[in-house]
Amino acid sequence: NAGVTQTPKFQVLKTGQSMTLQCAQDMNHEYMSWYRQDPGMGLRLIHYSVGAGITDQGEVPNGYNVSRSTTEDFPLRLLSAAPSQTSVYFCASTPDSSYGYTFGSGTRLTVV
Amino acid sequence: DQQVKQNSPSLSVQEGRISILNCDYTNSMFDYFLWYKKYPAEGPTFLISISSIKDKNEDGRFTVFLNKSAKHLSLHIVPSQPGDSAVYFCAASAKGGTSYGKLTFGQGTILTVHP
Repeated sequence: NAGVTQTPKFQVLKTGQSMTLQCAQDMNHEYMSWYRQDPGMGLRLIHYSVGAGITDQGEVPNGYNVSRSTTEDFPLRLLSAAPSQTSVYFCASTPDSSYGYTFGSGTRLTVV
Repeated sequence: DQQVKQNSPSLSVQEGRISILNCDYTNSMFDYFLWYKKYPAEGPTFLISISSIKDKNEDGRFTVFLNKSAKHLSLHIVPSQPGDSAVYFCAASAKGGTSYGKLTFGQGTILTVHP
């Protein structure tokens, strides 16, 4: 049982490049979310999904796209990377909003 | 607009003593509260939660207290151990409306437990 798997663990991008952060869970969880963690800011919600085919914006969605074609996968796309998107990104999942989310180990992204 | 606030960036305690971490919230729609623990280079791990219908929840050395009238919750760790040294995040969610399934986090408190 792998839980929530995020790839890559580290990435350096140049300004303007695009990339996709991968997130997969093998627990058949309906709810999945993407957060970014910045110093002094806690974790801020980027996008989330309550099931395959259903996504919604969080607190800081600008510059990011998501889609949820399967229950297992919830990729996060950076359309045109900016230095302000330098952060640690966490994907999380839960079977129900009444339970705590299980988090992946994170992707550390640097945009230069 | 920070809806969940942890006003103490850090807390230092002696091993064996009590650690008390505090959290305040402003959104009266929040009805479910969670604490997460995070070690460096790892994702947050769920620690304990409480529903708004309760005012206390215990799990071993960890107890969470909720004061709805004050919009305040706290996490008590007794006795504190060096392995408890980590960043602790408070989080909240609302079961209804457009906030369903979303977690709002505080800024985190760095707990250091000295041997």
